[in-house]
Amino acid sequence: AQSVSQHNHHVILSEAASLELGCNYSYGGTVNLFWYVQYPGQHLQLLLKYFSGDPLVKGIKGFEAEFIKSKFSFNLRKPSVQWSDTAEYFCAVRRGNTGKLIFGQGTTLQVKP
Amino acid sequence: DGGITQSPKYLFRKEGQNVTLSCEQNLNHDAMYWYRQDPGQGLRLIYYSQIVNDFQKGDIAEGYSVSREKKESFPLTVTSAQKNPTAFYLCASSIDRSGRAVTQFFGPGTRLTVL
Repeated sequence: AQSVSQHNHHVILSEAASLELGCNYSYGGTVNLFWYVQYPGQHLQLLLKYFSGDPLVKGIKGFEAEFIKSKFSFNLRKPSVQWSDTAEYFCAVRRGNTGKLIFGQGTTLQVKP
Repeated sequence: DGGITQSPKYLFRKEGQNVTLSCEQNLNHDAMYWYRQDPGQGLRLIYYSQIVNDFQKGDIAEGYSVSREKKESFPLTVTSAQKNPTAFYLCASSIDRSGRAVTQFFGPGTRLTVL
């Protein structure tokens, strides 16, 4: 069965530190991958997505993610975090050829000012 | 102002009562989804609907029921059979049922607490 694993459950960083959140998926076929973010008190919203093409995907607010097929990974990165990046981050993969998504467990990021 | 609305934001119920959570979208999306979010478990799919008058069970459908009588609406009923209903419930929609456009858009959620 398909699955998504996020290695870091809780990350604490100081402002201006670099961020990398791990995401691994298990599926050998063509994948569509997503990162969603949930800021405190706000809707879950899309940060970025990968469907095909350039494996380095740029999203909103300076985030990017790299799809590495050989490693089944789709890690999220940001060179310099801000206090406003404090949120919960979810990696998701499309389930087969359906419209359904499988979500990882989520990573809570706390950025200290 | 397009989007997905969920009501109420907070809901309290006594054990043994059924309760219905509302989800409405004006995005003209065909597909709608219900998820349950628990700390450390991410989002788990309860039910989904790809077209009006049709819906399928997700991964954790036991103790829940849904209906899809209108394209815009996908209410979720949490029944007394759900053993651990206290959770944050999220509704989502995506543009079509073909599976091609899979990006899902989420509502603000309903936090259900069973007293």
